[in-house]
Amino acid sequence: KAGVTQTPRYLIKTRGQQVTLSCSPISGHRSVSWYQQTPGQGLQFLFEYFSETQRNKGNFPGRFSGRQFSNSRSEMNVSTLELGDSALYLCASSRGPSGGNQPQHFGDGTRLSIL
Amino acid sequence: GESVGLHLPTLSVQEGDNSIINCAYSNSASDYFIWYKQESGKGPQFIIDIRSNMDKRQGQRVTVLLNKTVKHLSLQIAATQPGDSAVYFCAENGKTSYDKVIFGPGTSLSVIP
Repeated sequence: KAGVTQTPRYLIKTRGQQVTLSCSPISGHRSVSWYQQTPGQGLQFLFEYFSETQRNKGNFPGRFSGRQFSNSRSEMNVSTLELGDSALYLCASSRGPSGGNQPQHFGDGTRLSIL
Repeated sequence: GESVGLHLPTLSVQEGDNSIINCAYSNSASDYFIWYKQESGKGPQFIIDIRSNMDKRQGQRVTVLLNKTVKHLSLQIAATQPGDSAVYFCAENGKTSYDKVIFGPGTSLSVIP
């Protein structure tokens, strides 16, 4: 069974640009959550999608957005990139909505570097 | 954000010894707890979970202990091996599916051969 797949693995952008990251969940999983991981802040929750609807959102500015497609694949977009957006962006999927009694399964992330 | 990650605690253990990694969780209403292992260059990997109606659960070489009175979670790794070197995160889920998952800051485990 294939795991969570994130593309691309690495990305280099400059300030002011925008970026789109992609996540394919485990087959049969309908929930996709996105996290930002940095050395100083640890794992911070961005948002969660379930059945194409955003269920939860973390404390990030509106420059961070996402969506989920009918096949459960998800994308997140960051506009007007800032140096502080450099991080590892992780996607996690679960069969049902996150929260509740089930673990999330993570991809290996997209390493985004802003120059 | 939902995680407080001011600095990363570290733990060094001799190969073959037992490791104990501790975690203080934040919400007394949290109902489900998970331990993840994150190796360099990879995403967090599920290790073991425990529900709030239990105080101990065992897996293969790992045991999780839950003390709800003091909101404390621990992960015990028996006969620690070099492959156990990684960052370990605890995570807590609330009772409802609308509760966000909250991750601890992580502990870096280093196994000395």
